[in-house]
Amino acid sequence: QVQLVQSGAEVKKPGASVKLSCKGSGYTFTSYGMHWVRQAPGQRPEWMGWINAGSGDTKYSEKFQGRVSLTRDTSATTAYMDLSSLTTEDTAVYYCVRIGDSSFHFQYWGQGTLVTVSS
Amino acid sequence: DIQMTQSPSTLSASIGDRVTMTCRASQSLSGWLAWFQQKPGKAPKLLIYKTSNLERGVPSRFSGSGSGTEFTLTISSLQPDDFATYYCQQYNGYSGTFGQGTKVEIK
Repeated sequence: QVQLVQSGAEVKKPGASVKLSCKGSGYTFTSYGMHWVRQAPGQRPEWMGWINAGSGDTKYSEKFQGRVSLTRDTSATTAYMDLSSLTTEDTAVYYCVRIGDSSFHFQYWGQGTLVTVSS
Repeated sequence: DIQMTQSPSTLSASIGDRVTMTCRASQSLSGWLAWFQQKPGKAPKLLIYKTSNLERGVPSRFSGSGSGTEFTLTISSLQPDDFATYYCQQYNGYSGTFGQGTKVEIK
């Protein structure tokens, strides 16, 4: 079965960077795109970016352009999300999300990684 | 960017009630609309995709409908497990935007 297992919680100071991982299993990693979505406390989910796990092509939300970088390691079947210049407003749960088996809906979600930014 | 607006923000209902919530998009979506259920501390769970397609394993009491800019999620007979927050989402091959959510509470 499809599984996305994300790395553990992080605590960062303002101005720092964070790199999160998302390991996919149970499917052909390079055949499906991966989104990253974050959700601040009490807020709606917010799309951050997408990576084609096969080609490595990316697309980013304008809100995060220049501050986020999505990469992947196909041999490790793992996707990564780098977010720089952190502020307290980046405190959120970050999810990786694989697209659907038959279409591009957001079908499979990782368990989420809590990133806390605090001085 | 396409904006998504859900109503109501909160909905109070009883077990067995038929429940309907609405999602409006700022421009036509061509049907690429999904619904998610989220419980505290958990990831969103896909219920409906492409407006009306029920995700595998989701109970048939959930249904989606709509077109253009207005979409609806209906729960035909509310069950205890259904008290949660529901989000609509417009999506395409490369991005997605979520509504602000409708919280279903016990009346």
